[in-house]
Amino acid sequence: GQQVMQIPQYQHVQEGEDFTTYCNSSTTLSNIQWYKQRPGGHPVFLIQLVKSGEVKKQKRLTFQFGEAKKNSSLHITATQTTDVGTYFCAGLPTQGGSEKLVFGKGTKLTVNP
Amino acid sequence: DAMVIQNPRYQVTQFGKPVTLSCSQTLNHNVMYWYQQKSSQAPKLLFHYYDKDFNNEADTPDNFQSRRPNTSFCFLDIRSPGLGDAAMYLCATSGSVGPGYNEQFFGPGTRLTVL
Repeated sequence: GQQVMQIPQYQHVQEGEDFTTYCNSSTTLSNIQWYKQRPGGHPVFLIQLVKSGEVKKQKRLTFQFGEAKKNSSLHITATQTTDVGTYFCAGLPTQGGSEKLVFGKGTKLTVNP
Repeated sequence: DAMVIQNPRYQVTQFGKPVTLSCSQTLNHNVMYWYQQKSSQAPKLLFHYYDKDFNNEADTPDNFQSRRPNTSFCFLDIRSPGLGDAAMYLCATSGSVGPGYNEQFFGPGTRLTVL
């Protein structure tokens, strides 16, 4: 079936260090979304990327969508303790007529103050 | 504020005793989803409604049923909960499907404990 692989599974950084999580899909995606889930909380939508090669920024967060629309990354510059949580990518496959997002397994980020 | 509400936030049930979880939304979204999330795992889609059109995932057990009586409400019924059904159940909504319209808004979740 369609899969979205996300790495790393866990990342521990010192406050101020950068952080990147990567997603790779086995199939071409119509769009990819990123969600953040704080400990004990629910996923919260961060951003959606639709165009090939698209790059979007939200303050210290930079999101990229690959040229082939099969991979994506989230980069956080100078992490803060408020960045702690699990970051999920979720892609919508172009093939199969599916309406469903396929979630990656998430990257759990911990930040040491 | 427009939002997705789930009740109850915590539910304790006994093995085999039916339970119903509820979700309501004030976003007037067409699509409502039910996910199951276990500890340190990604949300797993159980089913979704596009308006009144029900879409079941192939691997969702028959033990799980859903109802959507109107646009605002959606229910998850677990007919005979087993110990393996203990999890966080997340309801989500989106305006539509397809790129550009399918960002999902999640409720706070209901944590189900099965004794």
